[in-house]
Amino acid sequence: KAGVTQTPRYLIKTRGQQVTLSCSPISGHRSVSWYQQTPGQGLQFLFEYFSETQRNKGNFPGRFSGRQFSNSRSEMNVSTLELGDSALYLCASSRQGALTGANVLTFGAGSRLTVL
Amino acid sequence: DAKTTQPPSMDCAEGRAANLPCNHSTISGNEYVYWYRQIHSQGPQYIIHGLKNNETNEMASLIITEDRKSSTLILPHATLRDTAVYYCIKKIPPLGSARQLTFGSGTQLTVLP
Repeated sequence: KAGVTQTPRYLIKTRGQQVTLSCSPISGHRSVSWYQQTPGQGLQFLFEYFSETQRNKGNFPGRFSGRQFSNSRSEMNVSTLELGDSALYLCASSRQGALTGANVLTFGAGSRLTVL
Repeated sequence: DAKTTQPPSMDCAEGRAANLPCNHSTISGNEYVYWYRQIHSQGPQYIIHGLKNNETNEMASLIITEDRKSSTLILPHATLRDTAVYYCIKKIPPLGSARQLTFGSGTQLTVLP
């Protein structure tokens, strides 16, 4: 069973540029959520998509955006990059919640972005 | 604000049980407790979750106190590959708010040979 795939794994950008990261969820998973991880702030929730609709959004500026396609694959975009955007960006997929409330997230390996 | 507290670091001898504690300042009756771990530079890996009862799976056991404000993750026979940062988190179930996770700062577990 294929896991969550994130591309690219590593990338370097300069300030002011934009970047697009991709996430392919586990087959059958309809929810994709995105997280930013930095040494100073830890893991922070960016947003979640379910059936192509953004469900919730964390406390990040509008430069951070995302979308989900009909095949559940998701992309996130960061425009006008700043040095502080250097981080590991993680996505996670999950099934529709079961009645028991158990809803395990499966994470990808992440995309490590360095902004120079 | 609700706060999740975990010790920043712990050591454990290889082959011994590792007991990782977690405390929540507040927790609602429908909030599950989840444990994930993250090995350096990889994505977090699900370990176990529970609501009220103690749980066990092939990776670990989870002990939850009666008031549910404390939980302990037990790795029965720690190996060097269990060295990782362990996160304890609360999560509102899907029937409630949108699914999202808030991670605390976690516990760095180091398994010593």
